[in-house]
Amino acid sequence: GEDVEQSLFLSVREGDSSVINCTYTDSSSTYLYWYKQEPGAGLQLLTYIFSNMDMKQDQRLTVLLNKKDKHLSLRIADTQTGDSAIYFCAEGEGYSTLTFGKGTMLLVSP
Amino acid sequence: EAQVTQNPRYLITVTGKKLTVTCSQNMNHEYMSWYRQDPGLGLRQIYYSMNVEVTDKGDVPEGYKVSRKEKRNFPLILESPSPNQTSLYFCASSLSGTFFRETQYFGPGTRLLVL
Repeated sequence: GEDVEQSLFLSVREGDSSVINCTYTDSSSTYLYWYKQEPGAGLQLLTYIFSNMDMKQDQRLTVLLNKKDKHLSLRIADTQTGDSAIYFCAEGEGYSTLTFGKGTMLLVSP
Repeated sequence: EAQVTQNPRYLITVTGKKLTVTCSQNMNHEYMSWYRQDPGLGLRQIYYSMNVEVTDKGDVPEGYKVSRKEKRNFPLILESPSPNQTSLYFCASSLSGTFFRETQYFGPGTRLLVL
C-alpha cells in the first residue's frame, strides 16, 4: 500500500530557514500536500502541489517536488516561533482519501 | 462561525463498553471523515463519507462503525472498544472531498482512553 515517510523532528533558530522532507511510494499520487498541526488543534492545509509541477511558492513557503525520486520538501523562510508545530506530508489523488506521513515536529527557538 | 464540533472531547472508558463519538458540521459539507492520530504513526483515516448514506472504509476501519443519516452528522461508533483504540480522534469535513481546491476543516479532537 501507499507509504509516506518523514523525519520526526527538526529544530531551528528563529530567522533561519527550515526544510522538512518527505518521501512517498505511490507513483500515481496526483496531489501532494503539507498540513500544519498546532498544539491541541486539528490540521490545517498549508499548501499543495500538483504532481506535474516541480516547485510552488506561497509567501514564506516553498514546496519542491522531485517526482523521479518521489521526494517532497517544504521550505519555510525566516522561520518564526509561531511556526513551531507538527507538519504532515500527505498524498492522494485529490479527492476522498489522503495518506498522511507520521509528522515532523518543528521546534523554533528564539 | 464555520466549525466542526466533536463530543466528547475527552473520554475514559472500559473494554467492551459501547461508545459513540459525535461529529457535526454547520457548513453543509458533503464530505466527512474520521481519523485517528497515534504517536509515531501519524494520522490514519478510519472511515469517510462522500454524502448522506454513502460511507467507505479508510486505512484502519477495523473495530469502528459510522453512519451518515444526515448531512451534518457523522458519528463514530465503537461497539466493543479495546485498549488498542486508545487514541486521539479527529473528525473533518470539506465541501466535496476535493482536497486540492477546498479546505478540509478539522474538529478539535477527542482523546479516548480505553482501560
